[in-house]
Amino acid sequence: AQSVSQHNHHVILSEAASLELGCNYSYGGTVNLFWYVQYPGQHLQLLLKYFSGDPLVKGIKGFEAEFIKSKFSFNLRKPSVQWSDTAEYFCAVTYSGNTPLVFGKGTRLSVIA
Amino acid sequence: GAGVSQSPSNKVTEKGKDVELRCDPISGHTALYWYRQSLGQGLEFLIYFQGNSAPDKSGLPSDRFSAERTGGSVSTLTIQRTQQEDSAVYLCASSPRPGQGRETQYFGPGTRLLVL
Repeated sequence: AQSVSQHNHHVILSEAASLELGCNYSYGGTVNLFWYVQYPGQHLQLLLKYFSGDPLVKGIKGFEAEFIKSKFSFNLRKPSVQWSDTAEYFCAVTYSGNTPLVFGKGTRLSVIA
Repeated sequence: GAGVSQSPSNKVTEKGKDVELRCDPISGHTALYWYRQSLGQGLEFLIYFQGNSAPDKSGLPSDRFSAERTGGSVSTLTIQRTQQEDSAVYLCASSPRPGQGRETQYFGPGTRLLVL
C-alpha cells in the first residue's frame, strides 16, 4: 500500500534554531507532494506543494522543502524557527493522478523561548 | 470568503447509535473529501466526491459508513451502529476542480466524535 513516513513524532527546538522535518513516501509512480500545517485550535492549511520543475519549493512563513526523487524524500526546512511555528506538520502525497491525499502521521513541533 | 464548514463541532454518542456529520464545502468547489484523524492512525482518507461522478468509497472502513452529497454541494457522512473505535476527528475538505492530484484541498475544522 502507498504510504508516507514522517521520521519524527515530536521535535522540540529553541527559537532561532534551524528546522528539518523528514518525509519519505513509498514508490508509486508520479507523485505530487504537499506539506500541511495545523496550528493549535486551527484548521489544516497548506504550507507548500511540489508538482514538477525546480525541486526546491518555497512556501509561506519562510518554509521550504526539497524533493529528492532518488531518496523518495520531501523534507521540510526553515532556517530559523519562531515560537509561532509551534504546530503539527503533515506531509502528504497524491499518486498518479489520484486525488485523495495520503498523509504521514504528523510531526509535532514545539518551539520554546 | 467563507471556508469549509462542518457541524456539529463535537458529538458524543452511545455505542450502537447512528450519527450524521455535515460538511458545507467552499462555494463553487466541485470536489469534496472526507478524512478521519485518530490517535495512532493519523489522517486517513474515507470517501471522495467529484461533480456528478460516482464517489470513490475505497477508504470507508466498513459498511457502517456511508456518505452522500446532495446537489453537488453539502455532504453528510453517516455512521451506523457506532463503535468505540469510530471515535476520531472527521475532517472534510474541498477543492475547486480535478487536477490530476495537484489541486489544493481546503480543510474544515472537523467534527470530534466520541463514542461511549
